[in-house]
Amino acid sequence: KNQVEQSPQSLIILEGKNCTLQCNYTVSPFSNLRWYKQDTGRGPVSLTIMTFSENTKSNGRYTATLDADTKQSSLHITASQLSDSASYICVVSPLDNTDKLIFGTGTRLQVFP
Amino acid sequence: EPEVTQTPSHQVTQMGQEVILRCVPISNHLYFYWYRQILGQKVEFLVSFYNNEISEKSEIFDDQFSVERPDGSNFTLKIRSTKLEDSAMYFCASATEAGGTDTQYFGPGTRLTVL
Repeated sequence: KNQVEQSPQSLIILEGKNCTLQCNYTVSPFSNLRWYKQDTGRGPVSLTIMTFSENTKSNGRYTATLDADTKQSSLHITASQLSDSASYICVVSPLDNTDKLIFGTGTRLQVFP
Repeated sequence: EPEVTQTPSHQVTQMGQEVILRCVPISNHLYFYWYRQILGQKVEFLVSFYNNEISEKSEIFDDQFSVERPDGSNFTLKIRSTKLEDSAMYFCASATEAGGTDTQYFGPGTRLTVL
């Protein structure tokens, strides 16, 4: 069954610190893997999109990595800010049905001053 | 910057009633989507829509659900006879291309509460 699992479920860090969020997926074959940021009560906002052939993709302080062999991805946030407090969702697009995005349950990040 | 808009932001309805959730996608986008997120759970794909017809739908999208693009700007999700378990946040999204690496832009969502 196609699944996307994320860890940790929640994370608390201090402002200015770095953190790394993990994503494991069983979707195979897949077209692309995305990371979204979702503020409470809002729609997800795209951070990065990587195809199966890409290893890393950056967007400002966000850097996503992808290991298609081990079916793992990570999202690294550098020099965290209070506004980074949100849920971060890993999303995989299956190759045979690229529209049917499969969402992970997300990691809830809280950044404290 | 163009954005996807949704109305209403919150809809309260009685079980068995029909509801229509409305979305205005970004104007030059051609692909449209509905997702739902039950409180505390993951976002789930419902349906994708292109060229005035459904291109994909999930198991959740049964006969109680329908989508329509009644004019050049609106994209609607109708639930014919709401059930308690339909209570969720419903997100509309749009994109210029299907699948691939094109970004789907999400609206702010409509919170549906079925009593």
